[in-house]
Amino acid sequence: KNQVEQSPQSLIILEGKNCTLQCNYTVSPFSNLRWYKQDTGRGPVSLTIMTFSENTKSNGRYTATLDADTKQSSLHITASQLSDSASYICVVSGFTNAGKSTFGDGTTLTVKP
Amino acid sequence: GAGVSQSPSNKVTEKGKDVELRCDPISGHTALYWYRQRLGQGLEFLIYFQGNSAPDKSGLPSDRFSAERTGESVSTLTIQRTQQEDSAVYLCASSLGGGQGIHEQYFGPGTRLTVT
Repeated sequence: KNQVEQSPQSLIILEGKNCTLQCNYTVSPFSNLRWYKQDTGRGPVSLTIMTFSENTKSNGRYTATLDADTKQSSLHITASQLSDSASYICVVSGFTNAGKSTFGDGTTLTVKP
Repeated sequence: GAGVSQSPSNKVTEKGKDVELRCDPISGHTALYWYRQRLGQGLEFLIYFQGNSAPDKSGLPSDRFSAERTGESVSTLTIQRTQQEDSAVYLCASSLGGGQGIHEQYFGPGTRLTVT
């Protein structure tokens, strides 16, 4: 069964600090992995999309890494801001059952002043 | 340009009533997805439309749930005889294409359904 597990479930950091969120998956064969940011009461917004051949991808202060061998990804947030407070969701798609991605439960990040 | 829109934004209904939720995807997007998100939980895939292909309905939780899409435009998600466990935010997303999900999905703001 395809699974995506994220850790930690929740995280509280001080403004200006860095943090790293983890995503482990069992989806196979692997096609791509996406990180989304979901603000409270809003739909998810894409941060990064990585395919098998990509090890890292950045979007401003967000940097995602992918290790397809160990089936692990991380999302690193640099110099956190209050507006980074949100849920961060890892989504993995395989080559089979193409339209149906597997979603992690998300990590809830709270950035405090 | 306009993003994905959903209506209504909030819906309160009594147990046993039917509800219809609407999604307007981004123009030109051939793929459309419906998800359910219960409070404090992750997204659950419900159904996926890609062009004129038969939809992937594998995520629909029961036969009370159904969805239609008119061509490559508007989609409606219908829940019949609503139950309290149907209370959730229903999110719609669209993308330029389907297949392996490489195309970025753009999400609407969701419809918050409360069944009393």
